[in-house]
Amino acid sequence: ETGVTQSPTHLIKTRGQQVTLRCSSQSGHNTVSWYQQALGQGPQFIFQYYREEENGRGNFPPRFSGLQFPNYSSELNVNALELDDSALYLCASSHGDEQYFGPGTRLTVT
Amino acid sequence: RKEVEQDPGPFNVPEGATVAFNCTYSNSASQSFFWYRQDCRKEPKLLMSVYSSGNEDGRFTAQLNRASQYISLLIRDSKLSDSATYLCVVTLTGNQFYFGTGTSLTVIP
Repeated sequence: ETGVTQSPTHLIKTRGQQVTLRCSSQSGHNTVSWYQQALGQGPQFIFQYYREEENGRGNFPPRFSGLQFPNYSSELNVNALELDDSALYLCASSHGDEQYFGPGTRLTVT
Repeated sequence: RKEVEQDPGPFNVPEGATVAFNCTYSNSASQSFFWYRQDCRKEPKLLMSVYSSGNEDGRFTAQLNRASQYISLLIRDSKLSDSATYLCVVTLTGNQFYFGTGTSLTVIP
């Protein structure tokens, strides 16, 4: 086990709603990255947080936002949900080059 | 153009076979390289890092060719438990991971 946890494991929302996903990092890891993985695709980088500051962002619209807390846990917020937001959302913590993934939150938007 | 390209497969091989996966990347400034393994409906798990000098971990060998911008993974003596999707990863600045679409492997008894 990586020590990275995510909640909830599954979530169903309707179009237009807002959602918050949570991630607890592995102990000692100060960097958290979030990814979206659609069915049959590789994970796509959303953004990364380092010591509570955004440290890079992928090609996702502003309605995808995040936070990192002093204990290095993190949240991903998505506003105005769209059907295409249905995916597995993964967070990964790191302290150095290698990243360790949590089990993911499977979001379904109907 | 995608940062990372992989042949999605699927690769169906008998137990004991040797199988090789290749992956190309587009940005010559890419800094770090990895292979991850992902089982169905599970999270990706680090299989191995990839270095220019090549590295081996048991039945698995990874190679990096910076001049040609490709990464390879060789699996020898395939086991049923090797069945999974293998994801190629490169990083640019800031330790941002870019994944390929993954290559599906099924090892057949």
